[in-house]
Amino acid sequence: GQQVKQSSPSLTVQEGGISILNCDYENDMFDYFAWYKKYPDNSPTLLISVRSNVDKREDGRLTVFLNKSGKHFSLHITASQPEDTAVYLCAAGYGANTGKLTFGHGTILRVHP
Amino acid sequence: EAAVTQSPRNKVAVTGGKVTLSCNQTNNHNNMYWYRQDTGHGLRLIHYSYGAGSTEKGDIPDGYKASRPSQENFSLILELATPSQTSVYFCASGDRCSGNTLYFGEGSRLIVV
Repeated sequence: GQQVKQSSPSLTVQEGGISILNCDYENDMFDYFAWYKKYPDNSPTLLISVRSNVDKREDGRLTVFLNKSGKHFSLHITASQPEDTAVYLCAAGYGANTGKLTFGHGTILRVHP
Repeated sequence: EAAVTQSPRNKVAVTGGKVTLSCNQTNNHNNMYWYRQDTGHGLRLIHYSYGAGSTEKGDIPDGYKASRPSQENFSLILELATPSQTSVYFCASGDRCSGNTLYFGEGSRLIVV
């Protein structure tokens, strides 16, 4: 079965609004959680990540929330802008520094002016 | 300048033919990975390596081989290409010291006819 799942294939938000992207996972062993951003015909790039010993991390307009008991993590983007329009991939991994990540299928975020 | 470069960027191969996808990184990372991205599947790990001379099977290794002749280079080899291997392939490198962060190449689009 799919270990990391993004249930929403797409999300549309008005400029200035909050974009909330969700990810659910199955494996209790996961202790690293990340969000990658991908433009069409470009490579994924890391946006923000968090370890399992924290339940929230902020970086500018981005905030990751981790709910370990619910096996769920989310990315909140405040003051969404048209240039935020992209595919957002959640990813999870375990074991120190292995880099072996399991990715979700991605959510297409569209921010309309 | 790009730190992870892939070649070729685009390739059309015939069924049963041999295909080699090459990846070079100048990040001096120990770890390198090959993923494929397909609609409806997200990114899936094929093979990975923790250093020159070593390769490991990822989640979907069947039909693929890998080679890590040096710190900088990691190749993905399709000995007998099949149409089901039509996909976009991404190489990535990671730094053991910075945990699970992956730095991706631009992708190689392979079509097997």
